[in-house]
Amino acid sequence: DQQVKQNSPSLSVQEGRISILNCDYTNSMFDYFLWYKKYPAEGPTFLISISSIKDKNEDGRFTVFLNKSAKHLSLHIVPSQPGDSAVYFCAASEQGNTPLVFGKGTRLSVIA
Amino acid sequence: KAGVTQTPRYLIKTRGQQVTLSCSPISGHRSVSWYQQTPGQGLQFLFEYFSETQRNKGNFPGRFSGRQFSNSRSEMNVSTLELGDSALYLCASSSGQGFNYGYTFGSGTRLTVV
Repeated sequence: DQQVKQNSPSLSVQEGRISILNCDYTNSMFDYFLWYKKYPAEGPTFLISISSIKDKNEDGRFTVFLNKSAKHLSLHIVPSQPGDSAVYFCAASEQGNTPLVFGKGTRLSVIA
Repeated sequence: KAGVTQTPRYLIKTRGQQVTLSCSPISGHRSVSWYQQTPGQGLQFLFEYFSETQRNKGNFPGRFSGRQFSNSRSEMNVSTLELGDSALYLCASSSGQGFNYGYTFGSGTRLTVV
């Protein structure tokens, strides 16, 4: 049973436009959520996180939104740049000290 | 400061063999976690070690095992390899138990079982 789901395997966006990556979760005990970015032949790198006490967190071009009632979070990238092309993983944890549970990833392609 | 180092980067093994992968965490980090990445399943948690003790274990068969040494370096071993074990194995280190201290991933070991 997949507790963290990224239902879109891939997404293509034009440079300068907004990229929206979505993630759903089923475990109501999850209270900390993270996004990682992964380039080929490299390990995932941390991008942004949000705890369940907030519904929005921003870091430069990246914003994560959390809708606890819908068990849904999204990552917005504005404006999208070609260097953002990568696989994005959503991850979740209970109380910040259990192993991260990852989604299967969404491959973002930003077209110049 | 040096990142997480995983060796080897690539490995080809025959079905039925065993393999040992190594992970050297960031200096000062005491927690090491292992994940398996496959195209169909994404990243799946294998196990976590903190101060030489296994603190968490994922849902993998007993053929997958690991250990951590006193210098925090970790190894994972897979015995009786199966074709389905072909994957990218990722190691992540953090300064404390759990990711709240910040997970840093290595570049992974790409294992191919033929």
